[in-house]
Amino acid sequence: QQQVKQSPQSLIVQKGGISIINCAYENTAFDYFPWYQQFPGKGPALLIAIRPDVSEKKEGRFTISFNKSAKQFSLHIMDSQPGDSATYFCAAINAGGTSYGKLTFGQGTILTVHP
Amino acid sequence: GAVVSQHPSRVICKSGTSVKIECRSLDFQATTMFWYRQFPKKSLMLMATSNEGSKATYEQGVEKDKFLINHASLTLSTLTVTSAHPEDSSFYICSASDDSYNEQFFGPGTRLTVL
Repeated sequence: QQQVKQSPQSLIVQKGGISIINCAYENTAFDYFPWYQQFPGKGPALLIAIRPDVSEKKEGRFTISFNKSAKQFSLHIMDSQPGDSATYFCAAINAGGTSYGKLTFGQGTILTVHP
Repeated sequence: GAVVSQHPSRVICKSGTSVKIECRSLDFQATTMFWYRQFPKKSLMLMATSNEGSKATYEQGVEKDKFLINHASLTLSTLTVTSAHPEDSSFYICSASDDSYNEQFFGPGTRLTVL
């Protein structure tokens, strides 16, 4: 019940296109959903995050869409650029209980943006 | 955003030796630090959670005598891989969180290679 399932495993997009990565969760106790971007050999960096009381959050070219009833959320990267090529992880945090503060990560999506 | 550093960034050691990795929060007080392990093209696997001044909580399957974690101050946590073997070769990443718990700031990672 702690899993976060992420798809696709890899994604190839042309420059200027839209990249879409999807995640689904089961644990309704999750109350914070961050997305991380990781470049090879580096640690993950927080990209954007959303709480379940909001259906959409946009920051620049990055948008999170959240569907609480379906327990799904997705990351949209508009006008994708070669510099966006990285691995993206969705994650979820449990508000309380013994898992307090622990991130549950998705499996990751390797995004390649072709020039 | 908050900055977390790790030292060293890369370490190569002989089998049987012990290796210490430091994780520092540079501009905030980290009440909680997390240690992750990441294999190539895989997601982050949480190893343990440490709170300043108390013993670390290890995830199931992680040997606490093998991976010693110390969180001596609000800005420093260390991970010591004792009697390292080639199977311990991996990318180790720490993250730090303040009282808000939702935000975790990741270090740049340490690449450990055991010969």
